[in-house]
Amino acid sequence: GDSVTQMEGPVTLSEEAFLTINCTYTATGYPSLFWYVQYPGEGLQLLLKATKADDKGSNKGFEATYRKETTSFHLEKGSVQVSDSAVYFCALSEYNFNKFYFGSGTKLNVKP
Amino acid sequence: GAVVSQHPSRVICKSGTSVKIECRSLDFQATTMFWYRQFPKQSLMLMATSNEGSKATYEQGVEKDKFLINHASLTLSTLTVTSAHPEDSSFYICSARGGQGRLFFGSGTQLSVL
Repeated sequence: GDSVTQMEGPVTLSEEAFLTINCTYTATGYPSLFWYVQYPGEGLQLLLKATKADDKGSNKGFEATYRKETTSFHLEKGSVQVSDSAVYFCALSEYNFNKFYFGSGTKLNVKP
Repeated sequence: GAVVSQHPSRVICKSGTSVKIECRSLDFQATTMFWYRQFPKQSLMLMATSNEGSKATYEQGVEKDKFLINHASLTLSTLTVTSAHPEDSSFYICSARGGQGRLFFGSGTQLSVL
């Protein structure tokens, strides 16, 4: 079945450091891939998405490229800020978004 | 953007009691809502899909008599954990489907059963 695996946290970085959070997936078809972010005390929010191979999703300085050959969708940001501290979830969905499969979440702590 | 309100955010209860969690879409109508559960260091797992006016569809391995889902209106779905036990302690989160297939999430409920 479909599944998502992402790196365990927490990840602790200094401000302006480079961020990578790894995400790999298993899917039977051609899924859309997503990154969601959860700030403290809030619900998950869509950060970015990609719907087909080689697409790059981007938002707020974050990027992720849909790599079909490596079944990956790693999240990157060139220079993190304290305000980026949150939990990040990688997810996939097939069949017109009827079902979403999430990774376990990676907590990011950014220190000033 | 669209907002989903989930209440309560944290609940502690005694073993054997029932707990109700509410999920409301505040500024849009949601014919479909989803309930997820997350154990520590594990993935968010879909428990059930809730459709307004009809019975919920449960994922394999989820006890429908234990996790009662009601979606009586286009803006409210409830999850009731009946006769809760310590193994039901978990993080529960709801989401509502909006336009273009987008999901909008509540902030989650941490349930602790003593």
